[in-house]
Amino acid sequence: AQTVTQSQPEMSVQEAETVTLSCTYDTSESDYYLFWYKQPPSRQMILVIRQEAYKQQNATENRFSVNFQKAAKSFSLKISDSQLGDAAMYFCAYRSTYSGGGADGLTFGKGTHLIIQP
Amino acid sequence: NAGVMQNPRHLVRRRGQEARLRCSPMKGHSHVYWYRQLPEEGLKFMVYLQKENIIDESGMPKERFSAEFPKEGPSILRIQQVVRGDSAAYFCASSPGTYNEQFFGPGTRLTVL
Repeated sequence: AQTVTQSQPEMSVQEAETVTLSCTYDTSESDYYLFWYKQPPSRQMILVIRQEAYKQQNATENRFSVNFQKAAKSFSLKISDSQLGDAAMYFCAYRSTYSGGGADGLTFGKGTHLIIQP
Repeated sequence: NAGVMQNPRHLVRRRGQEARLRCSPMKGHSHVYWYRQLPEEGLKFMVYLQKENIIDESGMPKERFSAEFPKEGPSILRIQQVVRGDSAAYFCASSPGTYNEQFFGPGTRLTVL
């Protein structure tokens, strides 16, 4: 079974600065999907960014970018020019390309609480 | 295009009662997933359904929990004879296909007294 580990329970960054959230995962599969979701205090899960494992190019969405290191099984999220609205829990998630046995669902890490200091 | 709808947003039940959680997927989405989030934890996959079919229920507790996604109407997650340990946030997600992004609803927070 796949596992996702987020080793930073909490991170703090000054507004307008850059912060990187870490995520590592364990899998024996060669093709899969990785995601970062944001959960603000409203508890709504919001997709931030998605990466297909077969793509070498790192995904980017405006101020959000990832550093995908497939061999190291690492998938970190970089937030540039941090804004107060970025304050939230951030979850890293894995999705297999297989089906059945729980593979259809996303496997989430325990999350990183991001605090933005004004 | 409305997002994934879940109701109720908050549900309070006494031990032994039944809880019914509803999820209406986004328009055009025929795949529904249910997740449970315990306090201070990430979401845990419970079940994956397509219209009238349970595809993968490997994350569902074997007893008291059931899910359905009928041809018409919302998907229902049903918890019979609730216990305090069932208190959690339950999220539904939908997607248009098996490997597409999953879009989440706002969740139902279940409190068992």
